[in-house]
Amino acid sequence: GDSVTQMEGPVTLSEEAFLTINCTYTATGYPSLFWYVQYPGEGLQLLLKATKADDKGSNKGFEATYRKETTSFHLEKGSVQVSDSAVYFCALSDLGTGFQKLVFGTGTRLLVSP
Amino acid sequence: DTGVSQDPRHKITKRGQNVTFRCDPISEHNRLYWYRQTLGQGPEFLTYFQNEAQLEKSRLLSDRFSAERPKGSFSTLEIQRTEQGDSAMYLCASSPGQINEKLFFGSGTQLSVL
Repeated sequence: GDSVTQMEGPVTLSEEAFLTINCTYTATGYPSLFWYVQYPGEGLQLLLKATKADDKGSNKGFEATYRKETTSFHLEKGSVQVSDSAVYFCALSDLGTGFQKLVFGTGTRLLVSP
Repeated sequence: DTGVSQDPRHKITKRGQNVTFRCDPISEHNRLYWYRQTLGQGPEFLTYFQNEAQLEKSRLLSDRFSAERPKGSFSTLEIQRTEQGDSAMYLCASSPGQINEKLFFGSGTQLSVL
């Protein structure tokens, strides 16, 4: 079945450092790809998405590019802030189901220190 | 607050007891989802409603689990004869009903089975 693998955390960075969180996927079809973020005490929030190969999703300084050849969707940010500390989940959705049946990775905790 | 609301936030129960959780989606969202998240894992899909119709159930949803969405508004998830393995965060999400639309997640109900 479909699956998502993301790097284990925690990822610990200093403020203004460059961030990369790796995500690779396995899917039989042509899924849409997502990054969701979970801040402490809050529900999951969509951070960005890409629906087809070579699409780049971006939001709040975060970017990720849908790479079909490497089946990857790595999350990057050029300069992290303390407020970016959260758990980040990579996910895919198979459009063939007709609804958002998301398959999530295990999550990567990001800790940013001042 | 017009987000997805879940009640209760926490539930502690003894093994063998029945529990029921409630989810109030964003009004006019016709799609509603339940996911389950265990410690250190990403959320896993449980079930999906379009209006009042339950259209998809995961194999994770054993016979002890039942979900309803009467009148296509709020939803309930009941677990009968709880087991320790049911301990998890139960997440509800809603969406307006388009492919690739954003899911809006609630903060979840944390279930602990003693």
